Amino acid sequence: ETGVTQTPRHLVMGMTNKKSLKCEQHLGHNAMYWYKQSAKKPLELMFVYNFKEQTENNSVPSRFSPECPNSSHLFLHLHTLQPEDSALYLCASSQEGFLGATYEQYFGPGTRLTVT
Amino acid sequence: AQSVTQPDIHITVSEGASLELRCNYSYGATPYLFWYVQSPGQGLQLLLKYFSGDTLVQGIKGFEAEFKRSQSSFNLRKPSVHWSDAAEYFCAVVGDSNYQLIWGAGTKLIIKP
Repeated sequence: ETGVTQTPRHLVMGMTNKKSLKCEQHLGHNAMYWYKQSAKKPLELMFVYNFKEQTENNSVPSRFSPECPNSSHLFLHLHTLQPEDSALYLCASSQEGFLGATYEQYFGPGTRLTVT
Repeated sequence: AQSVTQPDIHITVSEGASLELRCNYSYGATPYLFWYVQSPGQGLQLLLKYFSGDTLVQGIKGFEAEFKRSQSSFNLRKPSVHWSDAAEYFCAVVGDSNYQLIWGAGTKLIIKP
């Protein structure tokens, strides 16, 4: 596998379900991101992890819970979601640091989430 | 708050014609600017970026963009589009408060045969 992979690609869940999205990057990067992409809206940054430490949480509801066990893997745990949470969830990675920040993010294909 | 504006939601261009997609940003200092492309069912791919230096930057797939400080713009151009260029294009700038990307809402490019 190369680049950034995401599983599953499609997910349909009820509002009472618990599910998890998985992201894996094979680029040796030290930062990982979760974004929410809704039609006709700018990408919404949800969470950022640098060196496995969460550095950004953009007022995301607690029904979304991220986990970053190492610099290559990122999860998004979902529970009691609402229909308005239906969207494409994108994972990205980048190489960051005070001396070598690139701001270039590499994206996975996304998970299309539908909440019924 | 900083923002990125892509005024055109959709643009339709004939195959072989030239293309210009507009991007305006609000920022004080010299920004770090990006263009990404998203093909259907795919994630975003970096086309090109501007950090400093020459204001005309070349990217992949024959795209270029020009940074104009006086107009706060970073428009994307291609001299001759191909049907495979049909996709959604996103402009982004690095925010000055948290150094994260601030995104435009995207422009969907439709290619007429």
